Amino acid sequence: SQKIEQNSEALNIQEGKTATLTCNYTNYSPAYLQWYRQDPGRGPVFLLLIRENEKEKRKERLKVTFDTTLKQSLFHITASQPADSATYLCALTFGNEKLTFGTGTRLTIIP
Amino acid sequence: GAVVSQHPSRVICKSGTSVKIECRSLDFQATTMFWYRQFPKKSLMLMATSNEGSKATYEQGVEKDKFLINHASLTLSTLTVTSAHPEDSSFYICSARDFRQGVYEQYFGPGTRLTVT
Repeated sequence: SQKIEQNSEALNIQEGKTATLTCNYTNYSPAYLQWYRQDPGRGPVFLLLIRENEKEKRKERLKVTFDTTLKQSLFHITASQPADSATYLCALTFGNEKLTFGTGTRLTIIP
Repeated sequence: GAVVSQHPSRVICKSGTSVKIECRSLDFQATTMFWYRQFPKKSLMLMATSNEGSKATYEQGVEKDKFLINHASLTLSTLTVTSAHPEDSSFYICSARDFRQGVYEQYFGPGTRLTVT
């Protein structure tokens, strides 16, 4: 069965630096991949979607890359701020199917 | 992005009673909605897929008679936890898909914290 791993359970980054989160998957590549932010006690908030034929997507300080050869997506937050502290989830969609979530990375930006 | 609302945000009920949670897509129509459950420090667990005008599809291990799902319109799905017990206490999150530019973007509600006493 498909397995999705996010590089680390927790990641601490100094304010102003770039935070890079990793999402790796096994088996076949998804049609597209989505990144979400989740704060404690709240539902996930949609950030970015990237398709399998796209290499990179940007939105303000966020950048997502998708490498189907490595079976990996990287999520970057540049000029990180304490307000970026949250849990970030990657989720894969295969065709018209439901989302499959990674385990999440809890990011803390240290002032 | 699209907005999904959920009501109530918190509910406390006594064991044996039923609780209904509403999920609405506010600015788009959703033929498909999803219901998730999340335990502390864990990722989201899909419970069921709710299809407008037809029966929901439940994931393995989810009791369809305990978690009743109704998707009566293109903007509203409800989850009713019947005869609730303390082990049903959890964070329930709904989600709806919006077809944009050839892909399904999935948006989530703010969640409902259910506590069964």
